[in-house]
Amino acid sequence: GENVEQHPSTLSVQEGDSAVIKCTYSDSASNYFPWYKQELGKRPQLIIDIRSNVGEKKDQRIAVTLNKTAKHFSLHITETQPEDSAVYFCAATINTGNQFYFGTGTSLTVIP
Amino acid sequence: DAGVIQSPRHEVTEMGQEVTLRCKPISGHNSLFWYRQTMMRGLELLIYFNNNVPIDDSGMPEDRFSAKMPNASFSTLKIQPSEPRDSAVYFCASSLARNRDSGNTIYFGEGSWLTVV
Repeated sequence: GENVEQHPSTLSVQEGDSAVIKCTYSDSASNYFPWYKQELGKRPQLIIDIRSNVGEKKDQRIAVTLNKTAKHFSLHITETQPEDSAVYFCAATINTGNQFYFGTGTSLTVIP
Repeated sequence: DAGVIQSPRHEVTEMGQEVTLRCKPISGHNSLFWYRQTMMRGLELLIYFNNNVPIDDSGMPEDRFSAKMPNASFSTLKIQPSEPRDSAVYFCASSLARNRDSGNTIYFGEGSWLTVV
């Protein structure tokens, strides 16, 4: 099955700086890569996703890049704000089913 | 839509008791997932259903866990007997699987916070 690895496990940045979280996957058949944000005590919520037919997607301060050859994808948050502090999960899915494989999460702290 | 609805939100039970967690997926969604989240193991997929049929239950830890989906709008996850190591947040999630070529976003419920003492 698919194996998704996520790094780093914890990340602290100063407010206004950028944050980058990286994930790798093992199955070349994976074609959909969502990112979820989970605030303390709350449910994971989708913040951005990318499909395998594109290399980059942006939504305001958030962007995701995908390198299919290297089997890795990254989340980029620019101009970080304290409210960006949360745990971020990457995931990968294979188009033959609906199985989601999640990374182990990155705890991001934005220091005011 | 109200989103994925789970109950109870919080439950504290004694070891050995039966626990039943309930989930109502988003109307129209045809896939339903049960996840368990702990600090040590992160988000673990326990089981998922497609069109009410269990597709993959390889994540169910042992025979004490069982899940059912009697219809498209309701699912249960049962633990019998419960043990302290079952303490975790249990998330139900749902998605609409349109076709083989589309990634299908999953939406999580608020979670059921289970504590077994």
